[in-house]
Amino acid sequence: DIQMTQSPSSLSASVGDRVTITCRASQSISNYLNWYQQKPGKAPKLLIYAASSLQSGVPSRFSGSGSGTDFTLTISSLQPEDFATYYCQQSYTTPRTFGPGTKVHIK
Amino acid sequence: QMVQSGAEVKKPGASVKVSCKASGYTFTTYGISWVRQAPGQGLEWMGWISAYSGDTNYEPQLQGRVTMTRDTSTSTAYMELRSLRSDDTAVYYCVRELPLTGYPFGYWGQGTLVTVSS
Repeated sequence: DIQMTQSPSSLSASVGDRVTITCRASQSISNYLNWYQQKPGKAPKLLIYAASSLQSGVPSRFSGSGSGTDFTLTISSLQPEDFATYYCQQSYTTPRTFGPGTKVHIK
Repeated sequence: QMVQSGAEVKKPGASVKVSCKASGYTFTTYGISWVRQAPGQGLEWMGWISAYSGDTNYEPQLQGRVTMTRDTSTSTAYMELRSLRSDDTAVYYCVRELPLTGYPFGYWGQGTLVTVSS
């Protein structure tokens, strides 16, 4: 199975901050990497697919980059509604493993 | 839209079957995955079913305990988990893939809480 790791596991940030979350795969997954946002008590929401493609309706302050084993999710200017947990997921092969998540707290 | 069945409470060793009714698209066009999330924990992919053919692909660690099926006449997918243990307590989501690179998970059900307790 492909193992996904994320760093940091949590971070504190202020509104307006630039936030970067890193995801690493245990082997190359080309660009088959997705990012999801989850708020408490809600189902996850797709933000980015294919490493860097913005899902329809997602604000442009979210961006993704990377290929192979190393990927990044960036929020250019953190907004109050962005405080949530973020998960990466590889869709290169099954099982479709998720990272452990990064919780973004309010500073 | 994906609408799931309601919360369940089961005893250890029992089985649970969660349903997921799809609407707003042609059911047989897209595959459906099941994802679970234990309380306070991360997301775990459980498996996938082709709504068209019924072919399945399960997480190896669940193989033998999970069965995914679908009923095309009612546009409903099902996930059955047997021999339940306390660590199967989780919210279970059905998810429809999107016709994009890598088939990401675009439409999620509201989740079904399954509690396993004696």
